[in-house]
Amino acid sequence: VQLVESGGGVVQPGRSLTLSCVTSGFTFSNYGFHWVRQAPGKGLEWVAVTSYDGNHKEYADSVKGRFTLSRDNSKNTLSLQMDNLRTEDTAVYYCAKDGSLRAYSGFFDYWGQGTLVIVPS
Amino acid sequence: QSALTQSHSVSGSPGQSVTVSCTGTTSDIGGSNYVSWYQQHPGKAPKLVIYEVSKRPSGVPDRLSGSKSGNTASLSISGLQAEDEADYYCCSYAGNYKWVFGGGTKLTVL
Repeated sequence: VQLVESGGGVVQPGRSLTLSCVTSGFTFSNYGFHWVRQAPGKGLEWVAVTSYDGNHKEYADSVKGRFTLSRDNSKNTLSLQMDNLRTEDTAVYYCAKDGSLRAYSGFFDYWGQGTLVIVPS
Repeated sequence: QSALTQSHSVSGSPGQSVTVSCTGTTSDIGGSNYVSWYQQHPGKAPKLVIYEVSKRPSGVPDRLSGSKSGNTASLSISGLQAEDEADYYCCSYAGNYKWVFGGGTKLTVL
């Protein structure tokens, strides 16, 4: 099982950035996925989830209305579009696989290595 | 959703046992069996070590165990080893398809 994030970088406040997560080693279309972020030197923060079929998505209040999660089951790829970025969005962003087949399990059994997003003040 | 409360740090000598606690509310830990724990070494991605309060994924040693009482979940590590030194995060389902993490506990093996 592998998850590989990409797309991080330095972006000015108010601008947009799209992160990607490419997966392998399992049947992508059978699982939900989460994004979790970690600000420098800080703890983990749950950001968003998509169901296995992409029909259900939910977001943390801190990003709702600014971030959009999508998935392409034909390419085993997850995307996180981040609009109107703020300095407080600076973090390493991890994609994480949900532990349950075609349902939400409440835990994240595999994680990518993360990609760093910096929004300077 | 407010973060779960964890002690900032805990320490123990090799061979000893330590417990990391995580306190929430009836809206998260107290109302859910979807409590999980993650181990994170510096510069690395988190790794699942406990799920559904007390279950261990394959490959996680039985020195690590989880439990829950009321609004508080606990991760216990017995027979401390140097490799256990890491940050540990609890996580709980918080309803409405949202999840919440604790602030993390730094475990130091003396």
